[in-house]
Amino acid sequence: EIGMTQSPATLSVSPGERATLSCRATQNVGSNLAWYQQKPGQAPRLLIYDASTRATGIPARFSGSGSGTDFTLIISSLQSEDFAVYYCQQYSNWPPITFGGGSKVEIK
Amino acid sequence: QLQLQESGPGLVKPSETLSLTCTVSGGSISSNSYYWGWIRQPPGKGLEWIGNIYYSGTTYYNPSLKSRVTISVDTSKNQFSLKMSSVTAADTAMYYCARHEATGTTAHWGQGTLVTVPS
Repeated sequence: EIGMTQSPATLSVSPGERATLSCRATQNVGSNLAWYQQKPGQAPRLLIYDASTRATGIPARFSGSGSGTDFTLIISSLQSEDFAVYYCQQYSNWPPITFGGGSKVEIK
Repeated sequence: QLQLQESGPGLVKPSETLSLTCTVSGGSISSNSYYWGWIRQPPGKGLEWIGNIYYSGTTYYNPSLKSRVTISVDTSKNQFSLKMSSVTAADTAMYYCARHEATGTTAHWGQGTLVTVPS
């Protein structure tokens, strides 16, 4: 099973600032990495797939990068609606599909 | 527009079997491009993939849950279902049904249903 570790667990950022989230896999997953956003009381929403491709309707301020074992999600200028929990997920070698533990982006 | 809706009891007694159904609307569950899956999230915690099923009935399970989980599909009703046996309080979670792309990404989720197993 491929383990996924996210950091930081919590990131405090002011609106308009940049947020950088990291995700590390225990094995090489190539570019088979997705990012999800989850707001309280809602299901997760797919933001990025194939490490760097934005899903339909996702604003350009969200960008993903990386390959192999190290990945990054950048939110270039945080909007109020971006404060949420973010999860990475690998789909290189499944089952099982595995998720990181999440990173919470909170208002500073 | 594709919609997924979970249904089932919100309270299950310890040692009993949890049963949930996901009804798919706005698209056919018989599409050969997707898998139909279940993901859960304990209160305040992260996401755990339970398993998924192809319309033909081929299933994939999380090894950590495989001995207790069965996922089935009813193409005539455009539904798929989850059964989890011998539940404990540790199985208390929000249960989401979802459509996986063939790769494993998940662009479509149900709203989730909370299942509580009292301790």
